[in-house]
Amino acid sequence: DARVTQTPRDKVTEMGQEVTMRCQPILGHNTVFWYRQTMMQGLELLAYFRNRAPLDDSGMPKDRFSAEMPDATLATLKIQPSEPRDSAVYFCASSNRARGVVPMNTEAFFGQGTRLTVV
Amino acid sequence: RKEVEQDPGPFNVPEGATVAFNCTYSNSASQSFFWYRQDCRKEPKLLMSVYSSGNEDGRFTAQLNRASQYISLLIRDSKLSDSATYLCVVNPGGYNKLIFGAGTRLAVHP
Repeated sequence: DARVTQTPRDKVTEMGQEVTMRCQPILGHNTVFWYRQTMMQGLELLAYFRNRAPLDDSGMPKDRFSAEMPDATLATLKIQPSEPRDSAVYFCASSNRARGVVPMNTEAFFGQGTRLTVV
Repeated sequence: RKEVEQDPGPFNVPEGATVAFNCTYSNSASQSFFWYRQDCRKEPKLLMSVYSSGNEDGRFTAQLNRASQYISLLIRDSKLSDSATYLCVVNPGGYNKLIFGAGTRLAVHP
């Protein structure tokens, strides 16, 4: 049963520490998304990649957040230094879109999320 | 103005009721539309895509009104298990980018 895997599931850290979240997309999927979910803002798109290339990271605070895909099986989201306002659930999702195909029914599959608490 | 807007609810309905949610989107060039469901402390999962002609999947009916830029979801004969948050999702065009609304919470009671 193919699924998106995120680690860690829960992370509590002190303000100022570096946090790294990892995501293994579904094998063969060519698009990876990072979302952040809070009660106040809902699901916000932070960044997404197509074939490992970053397409849009305009939703991400550039001074402290960075997202990369070192290879097709791993996406990372890093926060350095972390702040209490970064506390949220971070979701990774993957999907597959064939070249040139209008994305009418492209489903995004989500991982179970990383619940981050910065104290 | 947010790209995708939904009434946060909660909608509290008895079992068997019919309930409808609406969602509006700001980008008239948006290409595709979806409803996702999210249970408490779980990840969002695709409920159904929304087609221009409207589509139905069992007790669920989705409709799209491009002229008014809104999407609707109708749930008939509500079940306790329908209690969840329903997320309206829009692809504004281009690279399969998915923008989520904040969600509408539904609580179905006995």
